[in-house]
Amino acid sequence: AQSVTQLDSQVPVFEEAPVELRCNYSSSVSVYLFWYVQYPNQGLQLLLKYLSGSTLVKGINGFEAEFNKSQTSFHLRKPSVHISDTAEYFCAASSGGSYIPTFGRGTSLIVHP
Amino acid sequence: KAGVTQTPRYLIKTRGQQVTLSCSPISGHRSVSWYQQTPGQGLQFLFEYFSETQRNKGNFPGRFSGRQFSNSRSEMNVSTLELGDSALYLCASSLGGRSDGLDTQYFGPGTRLTVL
Repeated sequence: AQSVTQLDSQVPVFEEAPVELRCNYSSSVSVYLFWYVQYPNQGLQLLLKYLSGSTLVKGINGFEAEFNKSQTSFHLRKPSVHISDTAEYFCAASSGGSYIPTFGRGTSLIVHP
Repeated sequence: KAGVTQTPRYLIKTRGQQVTLSCSPISGHRSVSWYQQTPGQGLQFLFEYFSETQRNKGNFPGRFSGRQFSNSRSEMNVSTLELGDSALYLCASSLGGRSDGLDTQYFGPGTRLTVL
């Protein structure tokens, strides 16, 4: 079964600084990877997904992630964060040709002014 | 276009009871997925319905069931509630055109279930 590890439970950062949220998955022949954001008292919103093709994936709100097969990682990055990026971020993975996702435990991004 | 709506938003039940949650997808979406979010277990996938048929299923006991109607609205039922079923239940809809279920999903705000 697929497993997903988000290495940081909390990441504090100052506004306009760059940020990287780390995600590692267990190896699989074919894997699909996702990053979601959850704002307080709301559902999830898809930031970006990797299904195949280019290893650099660009998403909404200025976020991007890079699929690294050799390191089984899919880290999320943003060059300059805003206060409004404060939220919980979830990495998810699915394999075997169908969408049965396994989620990481989440990383709380806290952006300070 | 209206987003995914879930009713009710909050629910309190007692152990042993059963509960039904409802999800109305975005107009035109044919796939509905359900998720459970708890502090202890995190986010877990329950099941996905497409055209009134369960297409994918997570690893939950048979007490958790669902169905989808011809208008794509979906209901989720939990029977014989346990304290551990207290959670935020999220519903998501997608167009459903991909047979692997990998269309972009749009989430509702969730139903907060408390079991006493």
